[in-house]
Parts: sequence; C-alpha cells; structure tokens
Amino acid sequence: AQSVTQPDIHITVSEGASLELRCNYSYGATPYLFWYVQSPGQGLQLLLKYFSGDTLVQGIKGFEAEFKRSQSSFNLRKPSVHWSDAAEYFCAVGAGDMRFGAGTRLTVKP
Amino acid sequence: KAGVTQTPRYLIKTRGQQVTLSCSPISGHRSVSWYQQTPGQGLQFLFEYFSETQRNKGNFPGRFSGRQFSNSRSEMNVSTLELGDSALYLCASSLTQALDGYTFGSGTRLTVV
Repeated sequence: AQSVTQPDIHITVSEGASLELRCNYSYGATPYLFWYVQSPGQGLQLLLKYFSGDTLVQGIKGFEAEFKRSQSSFNLRKPSVHWSDAAEYFCAVGAGDMRFGAGTRLTVKP
Repeated sequence: KAGVTQTPRYLIKTRGQQVTLSCSPISGHRSVSWYQQTPGQGLQFLFEYFSETQRNKGNFPGRFSGRQFSNSRSEMNVSTLELGDSALYLCASSLTQALDGYTFGSGTRLTVV
C-alpha cells in the first residue's frame, strides 16, 4: 500500500536560512510524488510534482525537490526562506487516491 | 480564473443529522476529489469523481457519499452525523486526474455538536 512519512512535525528556521523538509514514501511502482503547502485557514496549494525524468524538480515560490529512489525520499528544499513561507507542508504520493503525509509545520524566525 | 469554490464555509450540525457539502471545480476541470482533514488523522481521502462516476473511494463508512453532476460540480453527503465527523472537508479539482495536480478549495469547516 502506498504511504508517506514526514518525520518532522515542526521545524523552525531563521529567515534567510536554507530549508529542507523530509519525505519518505512507500509505493509499489514508480511513485507519483507531490509537495503541497497549506496556509492557515486555506486549502492546499501545489508546489511541485514528480513523475519521471530529471530527479531534481523545480516548483513555485523558489522550492525544489529531489527524488532519490535508493532512499525512497522526496525532500523539499529552499535555499533562502522568507517569512511568508511559514505554513504547513504536505508530501503526497499516488494518483487517484492520493495519500498525504501528516505534514510539517514550518515556523520562520525573524 | 475562479478557483475551487466550496460552500458553505462553516457549518454546525447536531449529532444524528445529515449534511450536504458543495464543491464547484475550476472551469474545465473534470475530476473532483474530497478529503477530510482533522488534527488527529491528517488528510484522509474520501472519494474521487470523474465524468459523474466515482473512480476511487477511500476507507470511510457508507454514511459518507458523494456525487458529481454533468457540469462537474460535486456534492458530498454525510448522514447520521457523529461527533467524530467534525473536520475540515476539502474539495480538490484537476483537469482529468490527480496526476495533473490538485487545486484545492478553502474547505468547509463542519462542527458536530
């Protein structure tokens, strides 16, 4: 069965610092992987997605993610975090019945 | 273009009642999926509709049902409400399938008292 694990419930980084959010997946075949972001009181917004090809995927808002099959990981990165990036981030896997991780809440310190 | 519209935004119901939530997808999107979001369980998949047909279903009891109309608008219904049904219900639309990437609505916050 497909599943996603986000090991970090909460991360705090300083504004301008780099960010990496971890995601590990379990999937029987070639995974379809996604990162979404949710601001308080809002729905989720798609940041990026990976199906195949180049393992480094560029997304919106300066985010990127790297697919590593050997580690079953799809970590999200950003070189310099802005205060507006504070939100909850969800990794997801699958297709029609997409499964989401529990989320990582990002706090940005001034 | 208009986003995914969910109505109502907030709802308070009593145990045992039923409720219907509505979702209007982005124009041109034919796939609509529903998710339940709670602090304890996170985001859980309810069902996916495409061209008025349920294409996938999550592991929820039969009290949860849905449908999709010819204009791609979707409704979900919960009968015999329980306290545990209190949650944020999110609707997501995509062109034809989840692989296209979902666009989510802001959700309907259901409180069962």
